[in-house]
Amino acid sequence: GAVVSQHPSWVICKSGTSVKIECRSLDFQATTMFWYRQFPKQSLMLMATSNEGSKATYEQGVEKDKFLINHASLTLSTLTVTSAHPEDSSFYICSAPLRRENTEAFFGQGTRLTVV
Amino acid sequence: KQEVTQIPAALSVPEGENLVLNCSFTDSAIYNLQWFRQDPGKGLTSLLLIQSSQREQTSGRLNASLDKSSGRSTLYIAASQPGDSATYLCAVRYGGSQGNLIFGKGTKLSVKP
Repeated sequence: GAVVSQHPSWVICKSGTSVKIECRSLDFQATTMFWYRQFPKQSLMLMATSNEGSKATYEQGVEKDKFLINHASLTLSTLTVTSAHPEDSSFYICSAPLRRENTEAFFGQGTRLTVV
Repeated sequence: KQEVTQIPAALSVPEGENLVLNCSFTDSAIYNLQWFRQDPGKGLTSLLLIQSSQREQTSGRLNASLDKSSGRSTLYIAASQPGDSATYLCAVRYGGSQGNLIFGKGTKLSVKP
């Protein structure tokens, strides 16, 4: 099946610093990628939809200036958590649907962010 | 509001048992439904994808059914094994082929040897 690669798999950063997470589609082009966040024992919640060549669409309650998304190519989307705080500690995961009718969604491995 | 609910939240069974995980959704106008497996601290692995026009999909010991009119899907696992222990997530796609997935909270399955 298609592969979505996410990097890094885990990161620890200090409060106030910024962290960049990369999501790559390895063997297909993804004009759309989704970024999710998962708190412990909770389900995945969509944060934003990343669109290649245009601005991302953010879900209600998600600060676009804090969670910067860039989708500069058909195989790469990045999520930057700016001025990170301990409450930003979470599991972040990206997804890319295939551009075909059955649209199976493929997910990256996820990134465990811990802000200290 | 589009919501996905999974029951039970947790399930513990002895090895070898057949089991059923349930998923219900409030809006029946789905595009497709997907079942995933998530191991602790890991990403998601797609198990089965059912299009809105389909009734079921099978892969090995897994069988997923879809009853769109009643807003329900079930994941059947035959002859469970300890390696099946994980959290199983049901996700429903709305809004067409590039639409977002809405997830349930998952069912945490533990298969005891």
